[in-house]
Amino acid sequence: DQQVKQNSPSLSVQEGRISILNCDYTNSMFDYFLWYKKYPAEGPTFLISISSIKDKNEDGRFTVFLNKSAKHLSLHIVPSQPGDSAVYFCAADNSGGGADGLTFGKGTHLIIQP
Amino acid sequence: KAGVTQTPRYLIKTRGQQVTLSCSPISGHRSVSWYQQTPGQGLQFLFEYFSETQRNKGNFPGRFSGRQFSNSRSEMNVSTLELGDSALYLCASSLYGVVTGELFFGEGSRLTVL
Repeated sequence: DQQVKQNSPSLSVQEGRISILNCDYTNSMFDYFLWYKKYPAEGPTFLISISSIKDKNEDGRFTVFLNKSAKHLSLHIVPSQPGDSAVYFCAADNSGGGADGLTFGKGTHLIIQP
Repeated sequence: KAGVTQTPRYLIKTRGQQVTLSCSPISGHRSVSWYQQTPGQGLQFLFEYFSETQRNKGNFPGRFSGRQFSNSRSEMNVSTLELGDSALYLCASSLYGVVTGELFFGEGSRLTVL
């Protein structure tokens, strides 16, 4: 039973446009959410996070939105750049429980086209 | 500051053998966690060590084990290897552990079981 779902295995966006990556979760105990970015042959790197007490967090070109009632979060990248081409993982944590580590989605491969 | 270092980067084993993977965390980080990445399952949490103690454990069989040394370096061991153990094994370190979310990943050890 997958608790964190990224339903789009891949996404293609034109350079300069907005990239929107989506993530859904089922466990209502999750209260901290993160996005990681992964290039081939490298480990994932932390991108941005959001606590459940917020509905938006912004860092430069990256903004994460959280809709708790829908159990949905999204990552917006504006404007998209060629270097953004990577696999993006959504992850969730139950900071109060902590027994299961971070729960990751299967990733979305973002391709930025020139 | 040096990042998370994992060795070996690549290895090939045969079914029934055992393997030991090593991880050196970022200096000062006391938490080391391990994840398995496969194409079908994404990133799955194996276990977390903090100050030489296993603090959290994912849903993996007992063939998967680990330990942490006093210098925070960690090893994970997989015994009686199966074909399905072929994966990228990622180690991540953090100051306080997975409860704070942000993890710093190594480049991974890619294990192929023949």
